[in-house]
Amino acid sequence: NAGVTQTPKFQVLKTGQSMTLQCAQDMNHNSMYWYRQDPGMGLRLIYYSASEGTTDKGEVPNGYNVSRLNKREFSLRLESAAPSQTSVYFCASSEKAGAGANVLTFGAGSRLTVL
Amino acid sequence: RKEVEQDPGPFNVPEGATVAFNCTYSNSASQSFFWYRQDCRKEPKLLMSVYSSGNEDGRFTAQLNRASQYISLLIRDSKLSDSATYLCVLHTGNQFYFGTGTSLTVIP
Repeated sequence: NAGVTQTPKFQVLKTGQSMTLQCAQDMNHNSMYWYRQDPGMGLRLIYYSASEGTTDKGEVPNGYNVSRLNKREFSLRLESAAPSQTSVYFCASSEKAGAGANVLTFGAGSRLTVL
Repeated sequence: RKEVEQDPGPFNVPEGATVAFNCTYSNSASQSFFWYRQDCRKEPKLLMSVYSSGNEDGRFTAQLNRASQYISLLIRDSKLSDSATYLCVLHTGNQFYFGTGTSLTVIP
């Protein structure tokens, strides 16, 4: 059971470089999410996609862009990385957004360091 | 104001102890509630959903109090393997909101 797969697991960037974090899920889930986790801050939502073809900003979208490539894949792009974007990034998916008890399933995380 | 407030701990308890965590939430329209467990340097994983009537899964009991807007998690007979960070999560509209997590260490 692959579930949610994120790549890369680790990345070191220099300030100003760009990169894309990839995420794919094989559970036929409709909704996908990108979170960042920082010490003492908990998980904060960057962007989400309630369904294929839609994306919406979360709590901390500045400096990021996303693409819902198809139902399976949801990528997160840093156009010009900054040290403040050093964090652990988690992709997650759920069956649907909206009402109902939806469970989030997470990928293993991507640890990004920006120097 | 944060959507979810959670005591970060840490809680250090001996094996066999009973420990309880609470979370308060601010949005009375919140629809669903969960407890997740996160091990060090790993992803969060669902521990249990929280239902209005309260629910139990082995040594774990979760409760929801909508009037006072809090959820709780009780762990009985703590095991060393229960050491982790416990996250309360609520689902409102299209989004999930996370507490900052409560750290639990069970000591031999």
